[in-house]
Amino acid sequence: DGGITQSPKYLFRKEGQNVTLSCEQNLNHDAMYWYRQDPGQGLRLIYYSQIVNDFQKGDIAEGYSVSREKKESFPLTVTSAQKNPTAFYLCASNSQVGSEAFFGQGTRLTVV
Amino acid sequence: AQTVTQSQPEMSVQEAETVTLSCTYDTSESNYYLFWYKQPPSRQMILVIRQEAYKQQNATENRFSVNFQKAAKSFSLKISDSQLGDTAMYFCAFRGGTSYGKLTFGQGTILTVHP
Repeated sequence: DGGITQSPKYLFRKEGQNVTLSCEQNLNHDAMYWYRQDPGQGLRLIYYSQIVNDFQKGDIAEGYSVSREKKESFPLTVTSAQKNPTAFYLCASNSQVGSEAFFGQGTRLTVV
Repeated sequence: AQTVTQSQPEMSVQEAETVTLSCTYDTSESNYYLFWYKQPPSRQMILVIRQEAYKQQNATENRFSVNFQKAAKSFSLKISDSQLGDTAMYFCAFRGGTSYGKLTFGQGTILTVHP
């Protein structure tokens, strides 16, 4: 089945550590996105990529980094510079001509 | 920059009744797309319905329909014959016609359907 797979579902990080969230899609979509969801707030865009080897900052990119070496993969690294990383992270993708975004099941990151 | 506002943090409805969720947005673009997404307790985001701004006809998908008022920049979601499975967080989202796939989301409305 085609879709977006995020892993792991739950992730715990110690303060000062970097962690990487995985996002893989087999929908052959050109564009991929990372959103952050906090309680009582909507989703906010962290980074997005419209093509391999190219990506742009979203509204809240500070403390995060991404790479897009393959069309299928768009990993997100939460660095130690991110002051409040505990949140729910959602990955999404869409095709160049489509208007609908498809979402993964999310990763819950908790700093311990 | 676009903004999306959902002014109802929580709503409740009895099973089989109708409920309307509100959404307003602000944009200077003339061509854009509007969406309602559902996020059940599983937290999987599911597309409920979408509306292209150039279409005057309101979108419908089975029990879900929208009231799109372009001049007023309003995009409400009506759920008819509410079911227990409709209990979820609902997000209104905006995508500009030139912004590829980037979505701007409202804060969400928690809908609870009571038996």
